[in-house]
Amino acid sequence: GAVVSQHPSRVICKSGTSVKIECRSLDFQATTMFWYRQFPKQSLMLMATSNEGSKATYEQGVEKDKFLINHASLTLSTLTVTSAHPEDSSFYICSARMAGSTDTQYFGPGTRLTVL
Amino acid sequence: AQTVTQSQPEMSVQEAETVTLSCTYDTSENNYYLFWYKQPPSRQMILVIRQEAYKQQNATENRFSVNFQKAAKSFSLKISDSQLGDTAMYFCAFRPYNTDKLIFGTGTRLQVFP
Repeated sequence: GAVVSQHPSRVICKSGTSVKIECRSLDFQATTMFWYRQFPKQSLMLMATSNEGSKATYEQGVEKDKFLINHASLTLSTLTVTSAHPEDSSFYICSARMAGSTDTQYFGPGTRLTVL
Repeated sequence: AQTVTQSQPEMSVQEAETVTLSCTYDTSENNYYLFWYKQPPSRQMILVIRQEAYKQQNATENRFSVNFQKAAKSFSLKISDSQLGDTAMYFCAFRPYNTDKLIFGTGTRLQVFP
């Protein structure tokens, strides 16, 4: 149980385009989902926290207009990188916390974004 | 500021041997959770073990156990009978009770040799 999927696993796009990444909890309801960014050989940095039906809370330094997050249902959150640039190339990971749970986050397999 | 420190960037161990990964953290909170996550080459983050700060008993999950020293703010992970599949990055993480935010350490790359 507690499986989280992400789609796509890899995406390559041209500079200036927008890319949407989906995060789904497959076998549980997630009231809260989290989006992280991981640079090569580095740790995970939290970008934002999204709660179902409300606006996401962004970490300091993360541009909310550039990284649009939508959490429209208890099993789906999306991250849209708008007007992507090469410096947005990274590994993006989502996680989900089970409804009714207060501690453990379950992680998706990640999405590698390459902006040319 | 709350921080998590993993002082060992890389470790190696021979198959079937035991290895201990270090983690220290800094916080003024009294109630919190601690986690060890594994990230194999597939990049999928996998929860290895969790510990609640109010529990004095060290958590154990099969070959994985922790040594939680609350006063010293230390949370080391011991892997017994190491297997080739244990080769991965290991991240220590901390979360206070009153926030959603997981704070990760910089990770330790573990290589298990045959």
